[in-house]
Amino acid sequence: DAKTTQPNSMESNEEEPVHLPCNHSTISGTDYIHWYRQLPSQGPEYVIHGLTSNVNNRMASLAIAEDRKSSTLILHRATLRDAAVYYCILRVTNQGGKLIFGQGTELSVKP
Amino acid sequence: NAGVTQTPKFQVLKTGQSMTLQCAQDMNHEYMSWYRQDPGMGLRLIHYSVGAGITDQGEVPNGYNVSRSTTEDFPLRLLSAAPSQTSVYFCASSPQSIGELFFGEGSRLTVL
Repeated sequence: DAKTTQPNSMESNEEEPVHLPCNHSTISGTDYIHWYRQLPSQGPEYVIHGLTSNVNNRMASLAIAEDRKSSTLILHRATLRDAAVYYCILRVTNQGGKLIFGQGTELSVKP
Repeated sequence: NAGVTQTPKFQVLKTGQSMTLQCAQDMNHEYMSWYRQDPGMGLRLIHYSVGAGITDQGEVPNGYNVSRSTTEDFPLRLLSAAPSQTSVYFCASSPQSIGELFFGEGSRLTVL
């Protein structure tokens, strides 16, 4: 199964940008890169996804390396409500689109 | 718009009992899946379905059965509950095999 590698934890200051890295060196050409986050005692929440080009939405930006072997989730101004576990996942289209979660990065935000 | 609805939210079982966790979505999504999440861990895929009548195994399928007779429903059956199946279970759906996944609120299962 397609795997991703993320740091276990990261810290950020409130109101500052946060760059969450993800390595996915075994990605295939049709795999989509997805990001979800999970707040304590809640289900995962979709953040953003992309295939090749960088993507922006109201929550975040996704920067995808040219070789697609890594990506970075960018939160432009971290707030205390952004403290969560962030999961970088590959959606494997040639296996029915299943998503296999890794361990994620626990982001803490300091006031 | 209800989204993805899971029932029950909480359940306590004795070892050996069977039960079904219900998952329903009202968004006409083709793709549905079940995950379990143990304390302090990430989510692990149990089973998934790409459409009515089609199911496949995920990472941890043993001890669980699924069926997909309609687009809306994707129940997860525990055949003979074991303490190792104590976990929080999440159902998720998406319109197709590449888009955003919508999650339910979770079902917390304790097996004594």
